Amino acid sequence: SQTIHQWPATLVQPVGSPLSLECTVEGTSNPNLYWYRQAAGRGLQLLFYSVGIGQISSEVPQNLSASRPQDRQFILSSKKLLLSDSGFYLCAWSAGLEETQYFGPGTRLLVL
Amino acid sequence: ELKVEQNPLFLSMQEGKNYTIYCNYSTTSDRLYWYRQDPGKSLESLFVLLSNGAVKQEGRLMASLDTKARLSTLHITAAVHDLSATYFCAVVLTGTASKLTFGTGTRLQVTL
Repeated sequence: SQTIHQWPATLVQPVGSPLSLECTVEGTSNPNLYWYRQAAGRGLQLLFYSVGIGQISSEVPQNLSASRPQDRQFILSSKKLLLSDSGFYLCAWSAGLEETQYFGPGTRLLVL
Repeated sequence: ELKVEQNPLFLSMQEGKNYTIYCNYSTTSDRLYWYRQDPGKSLESLFVLLSNGAVKQEGRLMASLDTKARLSTLHITAAVHDLSATYFCAVVLTGTASKLTFGTGTRLQVTL
């Protein structure tokens, strides 16, 4: 069966510091991968998605970036965090573009 | 731009009662998903609805889709405390393959 992991689970970072969040999927090959952000008490906003290694589509222009160095690894980064970057970051995968997306456990980020 | 609205935003109901959550969307959609989120946790996939008139049921939850009215409903039958969670609908805009647009969520609280 497929499993999705996210690391770290929680993170407290000062404004202006860099960020790296990692997502890995097990039990499948060539998944579609997604990064979402959920602000406190709000719905989810799609940030990036990837259909293959090195292929990244950005949905929201901001100071975040994403990379996919390996087939089942998706990384969310920032060079300088803003207060507004605080939130719950969820990674998801799907077997195809028209398949159900399954979400990881999430990373809770607090920028102070 | 696709807009997805849910109502109510908050629902408090007694065990044993029935209620319906509504999800309206603004433009033509290929498919619609329902997810559940427990406090502080990730999202769990509940249903995917692919065509007009589709109905899916799992336990005390039943979801339906009316593409002409651009409306989906999540009906709760004889609620139990374990159903307390936030429920999100998510819609895929026609022609955008994997991009999910989430509703604001409905926080359901089932009281004893």
